[in-house]
Amino acid sequence: DSGVTQTPKHLITATGQRVTLRCSPRSGDLSVYWYQQSLDQGLQFLIQYYNGEERAKGNILERFSAQQFPDLHSELNLSSLELGDSALYFCASSVEGAPSGINTGELFFGEGSRLTVL
Amino acid sequence: LAKTTQPISMDSYEGQEVNITCSHNNIATNDYITWYQQFPSQGPRFIIQGYKTKVTNEVASLFIPADRKSSTLSLPRVSLSDTAVYYCLVGGYNKLIFGAGTRLAVHP
Repeated sequence: DSGVTQTPKHLITATGQRVTLRCSPRSGDLSVYWYQQSLDQGLQFLIQYYNGEERAKGNILERFSAQQFPDLHSELNLSSLELGDSALYFCASSVEGAPSGINTGELFFGEGSRLTVL
Repeated sequence: LAKTTQPISMDSYEGQEVNITCSHNNIATNDYITWYQQFPSQGPRFIIQGYKTKVTNEVASLFIPADRKSSTLSLPRVSLSDTAVYYCLVGGYNKLIFGAGTRLAVHP
């Protein structure tokens, strides 16, 4: 158990719909990262938040958005869903992540949310 | 961010030692080298991390030469349960990019 909690574990929805994925980081971790992994694909970095602020952005579509709340949990919002958005969405957390932090890079991943768009 | 290059796949047999090498020619002075393991439909799991020379823990060893332009993950006496994808990451916290990883298949 990594200590990172993601909900829901599974989600089935239709094209054009909107969903919200939730992530609770490990206690004390300030950074939250979102990754997308399609079938047999690598992990695509989407976005990172540190202590409520967006820190880095990767290949995140404009239809997707995220935020990190004062209690440090994060939500990833996916809208106007397409078939190609079907994937495993992972959240990870780390203690550090500020630009001046030590680059140790240890992330703790949740079990993922499997999204199926029909 | 340092780009990494790893073999796409490797095959081994139970009980053998497996070495997976990662190239990272433009590693920065402050960058650490971290390896993750991922099983199907699970999130990646931290294996080992190092900065230079050799690091060993209960599951693996990490060898880093003096120039730090590459690193080698060594898995001693692999078992069937070590069949997974192994990722080498180099860099800081921001925009941590996973490459394609190395798909290790351990055979009986």
